[in-house]
Amino acid sequence: AQKITQTQPGMFVQEKEAVTLDCTYDTSDQSYGLFWYKQPSSGEMIFLIYQGSYDEQNATEGRYSLNFQKARKSANLVISASQLGDSAMYFCAMRPLSGSARQLTFGSGTQLTVLP
Amino acid sequence: EPEVTQTPSHQVTQMGQEVILRCVPISNHLYFYWYRQILGQKVEFLVSFYNNEISEKSEIFDDQFSVERPDGSNFTLKIRSTKLEDSAMYFCASSEGVLPYEQYFGPGTRLTVT
Repeated sequence: AQKITQTQPGMFVQEKEAVTLDCTYDTSDQSYGLFWYKQPSSGEMIFLIYQGSYDEQNATEGRYSLNFQKARKSANLVISASQLGDSAMYFCAMRPLSGSARQLTFGSGTQLTVLP
Repeated sequence: EPEVTQTPSHQVTQMGQEVILRCVPISNHLYFYWYRQILGQKVEFLVSFYNNEISEKSEIFDDQFSVERPDGSNFTLKIRSTKLEDSAMYFCASSEGVLPYEQYFGPGTRLTVT
């Protein structure tokens, strides 16, 4: 079984500042993938970034980077130079990469508000 | 850029009625999924579908639910007899393959059961 924990129900950040959204996970799988999704108020789920447990380097996608610390079982999302449009709910998710299971397990989310 | 589409965007139905939620996955994707999100809660997996059959399902996906790929493009979720607790946002997702491939989500269908 897999579990994702997001301990920050809400976060505030000033525009143009960087912000870190926390995510810790628990799994017995040796090989797994970690994902972050953004959910604006309109409701859609937007894929942001992916990190494989086997990747030695932290993933980056534009202003998004994933601070992966395997020993601590954490996969924090870092958003640099925050913009007003970054205000949204952010979900951390994971799935095993071996075996037949492909379902994503999601955390409870963090509501990010970017202040002007 | 290709995207997953879902119809309708909002469906209101009475308890006990059947509903069909429709999805068009990204055209070259092979794996299809349904998730749901009850208002204010986390996203929960319902079912995955590959090669015209269910490959995984969660405890939520009981006999009231079924999925189908009636043609080469659509992927549907049917709820036979809706209950109040089925009110949620239902997301369809698709992925290109098994590893590690990201799942791309549609915009969701908000189902309201009255």
